[in-house]
Amino acid sequence: EAGVTQFPSHSVIEKGQTVTLRCDPISGHDNLYWYRRVMGKEIKFLLHFVKESKQDESGMPNNRFLAERTGGTYSTLKVQPAELEDSGVYFCASSQGSGVQGYTFGSGTRLTVV
Amino acid sequence: TQLLEQSPQFLSIQEGENLTVYCNSSSVFSSLQWYRQEPGEGPVLLVTVVTGGEVKKLKRLTFQFGDARKDSSLHITAAQPGDTGLYLCAGEENYGQNFVFGPGTRLSVLP
Repeated sequence: EAGVTQFPSHSVIEKGQTVTLRCDPISGHDNLYWYRRVMGKEIKFLLHFVKESKQDESGMPNNRFLAERTGGTYSTLKVQPAELEDSGVYFCASSQGSGVQGYTFGSGTRLTVV
Repeated sequence: TQLLEQSPQFLSIQEGENLTVYCNSSSVFSSLQWYRQEPGEGPVLLVTVVTGGEVKKLKRLTFQFGDARKDSSLHITAAQPGDTGLYLCAGEENYGQNFVFGPGTRLSVLP
């Protein structure tokens, strides 16, 4: 089966610009998660979708971040306007059931805000 | 949000040696996972442990969950260069909630 796909793999944008990250989970996986690692820090949870509904968005840093999952398939994470501290690697993961069964992670999008 | 600590932060060993890395917290987890991450890739799940005291083996890797479900260890026997990578532990505070990741142990196995 195809894995979790993230696009783009790298993005360099200027402060104040908008960037949209996309994640295509494994087909049939209802649970979709966004995580990110900023330089020197741990991987941290951003939010969790179950199908098209936001189950938990407690990790979203502020209202500059907007995640959607229309139709319960792929998801997008938009950062608008981007700030320097948003730089990092954004990971998407999916799972069929709860996370205890294990996540399948994508390769991540490396975002650099200059 | 609880803090997961991993030790050592870095480890460089020769091929054939044994090693143990640790994952510790002051809080109890309903389950704990170990992942390995290689450069440019996402973390790949190695194992999930759920029961206090549980031991799981995956070829040369042995995972143990502490009796109190606050800590875990990963032991590698006869390490090989292919074991090189960043080893991450992730704990689930309550069933169905998101996982909290530790900072990782970066392992380098030299041929």
